[in-house]
Amino acid sequence: EAGVAQSPRYKIIEKRQSVAFWCNPISGHATLYWYQQILGQGPKLLIQFQNNGVVDDSQLPKDRFSAERLKGVDSTLKIQPAKLEDSAVYLCASSPRKGTTDTQYFGPGTRLTVL
Amino acid sequence: AQSVTQPDIHITVSEGASLELRCNYSYGATPYLFWYVQSPGQGLQLLLKYFSGDTLVQGIKGFEAEFKRSQSSFNLRKPSVHWSDAAEYFCAVGTGTASKLTFGTGTRLQVTL
Repeated sequence: EAGVAQSPRYKIIEKRQSVAFWCNPISGHATLYWYQQILGQGPKLLIQFQNNGVVDDSQLPKDRFSAERLKGVDSTLKIQPAKLEDSAVYLCASSPRKGTTDTQYFGPGTRLTVL
Repeated sequence: AQSVTQPDIHITVSEGASLELRCNYSYGATPYLFWYVQSPGQGLQLLLKYFSGDTLVQGIKGFEAEFKRSQSSFNLRKPSVHWSDAAEYFCAVGTGTASKLTFGTGTRLQVTL
């Protein structure tokens, strides 16, 4: 079974530029999550999708971050414009079931450096 | 709101020695508890989880954890550490709905030969 795929693995941009990350969850997984992991901290949930609908985006900085999962499969996370404090690893995860706490399977992450 | 505390930022153990990583949580109801491991440049891999039932949970790679409600703890243990166990370990608590995980800040494990 293929795992969660993310691309790119690394990205370096200058502040005020825009950037996008892509995630393809495990086949058949209904729930998809984006996390931000700042160096020295644990992952923090940014947004959770159930199929193509948003379940929780309470910690997403909506003035600069956006995310979509149009067909209920893969997802993109965008930052526009980026700030220095956005430097982090962006992790995508997926889980199979709806509405319950279940195992989340994580991708390798995208390491973003904002200069 | 739930929270997780991992009081040890960095731990060093010798290969073959036993290991215990501490985790304390704060949550008003019965928690769902997880331990994940993250190797450099990798995503998080689930070691074990506690949802209900037996409070001693067995996981992969020889790890186990014990849920102690009275102490609000979920400490991770391994009787004999291998050099390949060097990584960052994260404890997390999940709510009963919405599948929202709150992670601790992690404990970095170094293994000396």
